[in-house]
Amino acid sequence: DIVLTQSPALAVSLGQRATISCRASQSVSISRYNLMHWYQQKPGQQPKLLIYRASNLASGIPARFSGSGSGTDFTLTINPVQADDIATYYCQQSRESPPTFGGGTKLELK
Amino acid sequence: QVKLLQSGAALVKPGASVKMSCKASGYTFTDYWVSWVKQSHGKSLEWIGEIYPNSGATNFNEKFKGKATLTVDKSTSTAYMELSRLTSEDSAIYYCTRHHKGHVMDAWGQGASVTVSS
Repeated sequence: DIVLTQSPALAVSLGQRATISCRASQSVSISRYNLMHWYQQKPGQQPKLLIYRASNLASGIPARFSGSGSGTDFTLTINPVQADDIATYYCQQSRESPPTFGGGTKLELK
Repeated sequence: QVKLLQSGAALVKPGASVKMSCKASGYTFTDYWVSWVKQSHGKSLEWIGEIYPNSGATNFNEKFKGKATLTVDKSTSTAYMELSRLTSEDSAIYYCTRHHKGHVMDAWGQGASVTVSS
């Protein structure tokens, strides 16, 4: 299975930029498609899709969220961070079955 | 709007089985796959398997083969997951999700908590 590695936590100040990384144990890109997706999960809630195929904003997601990367290294950026963004963020690959998730990065206030 | 409404929490004894439901609305049920995802307490997400309501075709994570059974009732747009031979390791929140073949999970149920305890 493809293993996705994320830092467990990131502390940021409101109004600053947050950069969350995800590294895959092997490439999750096929041709021009980068098969990495990002989800946000707030305490007591279900995950919500933020970004699909590395850089595409899901419906209804604010433009302060963006994604980039290819191959094995991917980044989710939140700029500027708002109080409502405090949550855990997961990356997920769909290059190979089974789809796998990273361990999650908990975004905390500094 | 798209909604996936899951059944409520369950408390079950070790060795027993539990069956949970996921009722879809707001979209054509047979056009999307339904996946099930496990989240153990405070931990990350694990993909269990998927079912395509149109055909009943299923695919599973090897780890959950023999543990999970997936079915659908097209007449009520409801997907089901049954977990068998439960142990404490199966205590978790289980989510249903929908996606096309590419596993971009764009809608999630609210989750169903399963607690395995005697």
